[in-house]
Amino acid sequence: DQQVKQNSPSLSVQEGRISILNCDYTNSMFDYFLWYKKYPAEGPTFLISISSIKDKNEDGRFTVFLNKSAKHLSLHIVPSQPGDSAVYFCAASELGGQNFVFGPGTRLSVLP
Amino acid sequence: DTEVTQTPKHLVMGMTNKKSLKCEQHMGHRAMYWYKQKAKKPPELMFVYSYEKLSINESVPSRFSPECPNSSLLNLHLHALQPEDSALYLCASSQARRVGTEAFFGQGTRLTVV
Repeated sequence: DQQVKQNSPSLSVQEGRISILNCDYTNSMFDYFLWYKKYPAEGPTFLISISSIKDKNEDGRFTVFLNKSAKHLSLHIVPSQPGDSAVYFCAASELGGQNFVFGPGTRLSVLP
Repeated sequence: DTEVTQTPKHLVMGMTNKKSLKCEQHMGHRAMYWYKQKAKKPPELMFVYSYEKLSINESVPSRFSPECPNSSLLNLHLHALQPEDSALYLCASSQARRVGTEAFFGQGTRLTVV
């Protein structure tokens, strides 16, 4: 049973537009959420995170929104750039937990 | 320095071989992890070390044997692997047992078992 879901396997966006990647989770004990970016044959690179006590966190072009009641978070990238093309993983962890549970990933393609 | 270094980057081994994967970090992190990632799948947790002690073993077969010699190093010893064990093996580290901590990943070792 997947605890972290990313229902869109892929997403294509025009350069300069907004990319919105979605993530849903089922475990109500999760209280810290992260987004990672991954290129082929490389390890995931940490992008941005959000604690359950917040509903928004912004870092440059990247903003993560958390809707705790809906168990939903999203990553907004604006403006999107061709270098953003990669697989994006949503991950979650529990308070004091020692595991990061990953979603299946969404492949983002930013078209020039 | 937010770097986690894994060696080797690529490894091809036979089913009777013994090999080791190595991971090193100098961020002062006291939690270190081994994840396994198959193609088109998310990383899956194998082991967690916290303060150099094994704290999580996700029912990994005994042909994978982790070792944490000190707070900066993490090894994964491999013996009698099967072809289906071919995958990208990722090491990660984080601050131990703190709310709001992210894991930093190495580049991974691409393992092929022949």
